Amino acid sequence: DAGVIQSPRHEVTEMGQEVTLRCKPISGHDYLFWYRQTMMRGLELLIYFNNNVPIDDSGMPEDRFSAKMPNASFSTLKIQPSEPRDSAVYFCASGGLAEAFFGQGTRLTVV
Amino acid sequence: DQQVKQNSPSLSVQEGRISILNCDYTNSMFDYFLWYKKYPAEGPTFLISISSIKDKNEDGRFTVFLNKSAKHLSLHIVPSQPGDSAVYFCAASNNDMRFGAGTRLTVKP
Repeated sequence: DAGVIQSPRHEVTEMGQEVTLRCKPISGHDYLFWYRQTMMRGLELLIYFNNNVPIDDSGMPEDRFSAKMPNASFSTLKIQPSEPRDSAVYFCASGGLAEAFFGQGTRLTVV
Repeated sequence: DQQVKQNSPSLSVQEGRISILNCDYTNSMFDYFLWYKKYPAEGPTFLISISSIKDKNEDGRFTVFLNKSAKHLSLHIVPSQPGDSAVYFCAASNNDMRFGAGTRLTVKP
């Protein structure tokens, strides 16, 4: 297995534009997590899914953020409209509660 | 609401000495505690974990200690090597997985 795959690796967009981050989890993993990494807060949990069902999205900062997992092999995190303060590295991870494997992240810059 | 806290943003040690990374948590319902290592431009990689029913887990140079009464865990690296220089994240899981802010470890040759 190639591990958790995130795309794109880097995204630069203008304020107000829609941004979609993509994640392909490791096959067979029940959990999928979306995290945001910033200098101030470290790794923040945004939302997680169990068997494709969103369980807790209380970490999503605003209604501008949404996430979907239409099937076991794909998830998206969308920001619409994007703002400069959304600039961060976004990580997807899959696995279980005893261990989770991370993708390489998407570095988002909103100008 | 920071349920997992790493109060030291950075730590510097000499090669060959012990590195001790600390982590505190507030939720007594956590089942597992994990440590991740992160290099620049890469995702965090799993290092070692401990179940809440244990107080110590050892894997080579890495040992994690859990003190449930103090809601505290620590990661010991002995001996420290320059390649250990990275950001270390503490995590705790119950229904989800929460991370601390990270500690940047620098091991000097």
